[in-house]
Amino acid sequence: DTGVSQDPRHKITKRGQNVTFRCDPISEHNRLYWYRQTLGQGPEFLTYFQNEAQLEKSRLLSDRFSAERPKGSFSTLEIQRTEQGDSAMYLCASSLDRGQFVSYEQYFGPGTRLTVT
Amino acid sequence: AQTVTQSQPEMSVQEAETVTLSCTYDTSESDYYLFWYKQPPSRQMILVIRQEAYKQQNATENRFSVNFQKAAKSFSLKISDSQLGDAAMYFCDRDDKIIFGKGTRLHILP
Repeated sequence: DTGVSQDPRHKITKRGQNVTFRCDPISEHNRLYWYRQTLGQGPEFLTYFQNEAQLEKSRLLSDRFSAERPKGSFSTLEIQRTEQGDSAMYLCASSLDRGQFVSYEQYFGPGTRLTVT
Repeated sequence: AQTVTQSQPEMSVQEAETVTLSCTYDTSESDYYLFWYKQPPSRQMILVIRQEAYKQQNATENRFSVNFQKAAKSFSLKISDSQLGDAAMYFCDRDDKIIFGKGTRLHILP
């Protein structure tokens, strides 16, 4: 396994268009996270999944954003009616919840850079 | 709100010298984990070091070590013998609320 992958790496779209990003986590990892990162800032949590269940969503995740992880493997993040303020790096990370011993050590993907013009 | 604070937006250190990055956090939990992640320019974030809050002993990974002061809710990262490849953004993270600090940009001066 080569780690967390994200596709596409870069996306340029016009305001008002819909975009969808994909994340493939490390295969045995049951937790998957989405973050947004703007230049010079730390990652801002958007949402996370435990297997296929979406357990927590940030208030940053407006109703234009939706995330899925249908079979507990890969995940998609869709942004509808994009706005210029959505321009950012979208990071995906995964981790392994071992039950009693849980460290939440996250492995990050390279990110998808979204530019909304 | 429970937060993670990195008070040094940028730091510089001479190559081969030692530098300490600070991080303070807020929590009402007794058991938790703390992490330092490194994000080199245009590259993906990777874990540098992890500390388990119930362990008294400070974590060490080669040139990287932490000074964990649980009562003070402080978790600083010490980088010894700094190398050019250490130049990056460093983020402190407290795991249970998936909260990252705003980061410290570390410059290594040759």
